[in-house]
Amino acid sequence: GAVVSQHPSRVICKSGTSVKIECRSLDFQATTMFWYRQFPKQSLMLMATSNEGSKATYEQGVEKDKFLINHASLTLSTLTVTSAHPEDSSFYICSARKSGMSSYNSPLHFGNGTRLTVT
Amino acid sequence: TQLLEQSPQFLSIQEGENLTVYCNSSSVFSSLQWYRQEPGEGPVLLVTVVTGGEVKKLKRLTFQFGDARKDSSLHITAAQPGDTGLYLCAGLAGKSTFGDGTTLTVKP
Repeated sequence: GAVVSQHPSRVICKSGTSVKIECRSLDFQATTMFWYRQFPKQSLMLMATSNEGSKATYEQGVEKDKFLINHASLTLSTLTVTSAHPEDSSFYICSARKSGMSSYNSPLHFGNGTRLTVT
Repeated sequence: TQLLEQSPQFLSIQEGENLTVYCNSSSVFSSLQWYRQEPGEGPVLLVTVVTGGEVKKLKRLTFQFGDARKDSSLHITAAQPGDTGLYLCAGLAGKSTFGDGTTLTVKP
């Protein structure tokens, strides 16, 4: 159990267009999901915390108008990269925590990531 | 900001060798998790340690949580090529804080 599906796995878009990435918890409900960005051979950089039914909490330095997050249901969070530029090219990963679980020792369940390439 | 420092950042060893990866912080965490990530995939949870001084074993992997719950180590015995990957520690305190990661390459 505890499967997180991320879609698409790869996307190539032209500069100036917007791209939407979906993160779904398939067999559990997730009140909280997290979005990360990862550069090659580096760790995960938390971009924002997505909260079901409320506004996302963004980390310092992350533009909320550029990276739009919507968490409209307990099983789906979306990240939209607006007006994408080549510097936005990266590996984006989401994770989800089961609703009702303590945030102090419950595991995060990760999607398989989305490789975004902006040309 | 709670920071986790992992060392070494890169490690390349021969099959059969032992290795230890360290995860250190000046902050106290309620618990700490270790993940392993392969290229192009998301991280997969290996273990969660909660109690100071706790030691957990997962086949050839031994995880230890420091007494003060500020540090942790991962020891791999007789490494195999299949152990190759990025190892991440994550401290939990509301949201997860990830370490810098250790890229392990085990050569056959």
